[in-house]
This record gives sequence, C-alpha cells and structure tokens, in this order.
Amino acid sequence: NSKVIQTPRYLVKGQGQKAKMRCIPEKGHPVVFWYQQNKNNEFKFLINFQNQEVLQQIDMTEKRFSAECPSNSPCSLEIQSSEAGDSALYLCASSLHRGGTGQLYFGEGSKLTVL
Amino acid sequence: QQKVQQSPESLIVPEGGMASLNCTSSDRNVDYFWWYRQHSGKSPKMLMSIFSNGEKEEGRFTVHLNKASLHTSLHIRDSQPSDSALYLCAASRTEGADRLTFGKGTQLIIQP
Repeated sequence: NSKVIQTPRYLVKGQGQKAKMRCIPEKGHPVVFWYQQNKNNEFKFLINFQNQEVLQQIDMTEKRFSAECPSNSPCSLEIQSSEAGDSALYLCASSLHRGGTGQLYFGEGSKLTVL
Repeated sequence: QQKVQQSPESLIVPEGGMASLNCTSSDRNVDYFWWYRQHSGKSPKMLMSIFSNGEKEEGRFTVHLNKASLHTSLHIRDSQPSDSALYLCAASRTEGADRLTFGKGTQLIIQP
C-alpha cells in the first residue's frame, strides 16, 4: 500500500476550469515531486520541493500550473485553466533525499480528464 | 527528444521464461539508473537501482550497467504472471539536477 496519499483519485473538468490535486508525502520525507504521466506513458517532470522551497520547475509549471508545499498541510498542484492536453495521470512522489540518489515513493495518482 | 530510450516497447514472455529489457540514456551527465515497475492502475514502485559498472542481483531480478555506453538492462528469470506490468527506466545525476528522467517504459506480458 502506498504511503504517499493523493486526492482526489479522479477529477473531470471542462476546458478553462481550475483543477486542484493534493498530496501528503510519506512521513519524514522532505522532498516532493510532481510528474505528469500521459496516455502514452511519457513522464514529464513538473516541479519539486524540499520542504516548502521550490527546487526546480519547468516552464509549463511556471505559466498555468501552480504548486505549493505549505508547512503542516498537504502539498498541492493546481492548473489554473485546464486544457484538453492536460488530461493525464498526475503523480506525486516523495523522497528522503534531494539529489539524484533518492528513491522515489509514488502515490496512486490523480487522473485528470479535461472535456 | 526523449533522453531515456527503452526497448522493446512491449514484450511477451512465457511463464517461467527470461525477460530482458533495455534502457539507454543520451545524457552523458547521468550516473544513476533506476528500474521502476508499474502495475495497471497502480503507482510505480522501485525495483532496483544501480550506479556502478557491472551487475547487481536481487532474487529473480538482475540489472546490468555499462557506464561507458550509458546502457542498463533488466533481466527477470523464471517470469511469473504477476510480473506483467509496465517497466520504467529512469536516470539521474548524483550532483546538480534533482529530478529523475523516465523512459516510456516496456510493457511486459507474461503468458501462463
């Protein structure tokens, strides 16, 4: 059973609507990642955090996507204005270590469908 | 352009057989490789990691790494129906960038 908790498991939005997903990382893991997995199984890195601080993010994330990991609250990823191309599985993962040596522990994902 | 290439895209192996999966990175700065397994509708889970040249074995799973060619392979012996899943290869750097870059995966089907 995954110890990274993501909610909701499914969400359906119309184009232009906001879509918000939440993630509770595994206890004690300071590093959190968000990835997008499309229907072709392609993983796209979106953003990662160490505690509340953004480590890296891609351009897409900077424009229509917003994310945060507030202290003592779930992390969240929000799409401000959903587009059809945003339909995908959004995976949150946490890790004990920053840097490329830490194993990622994934949640079950939030599947977004944009009509 | 995909920086982590996996082959084959799909593979059918009879139960009890050997499954061999390949992965190559085009980023010469990576030095850590990961294999994750994702069952249908489930989250990816780490199978094995390797950063040294050579071979590493854990149970029925063996992973090889050739750092010069940035090629890694995963071999599953005595394949079981429960091994049917999407196998994802990922590469990362121990210094600098923190993200893992994933390939598109190999869909493995074990036929009873």
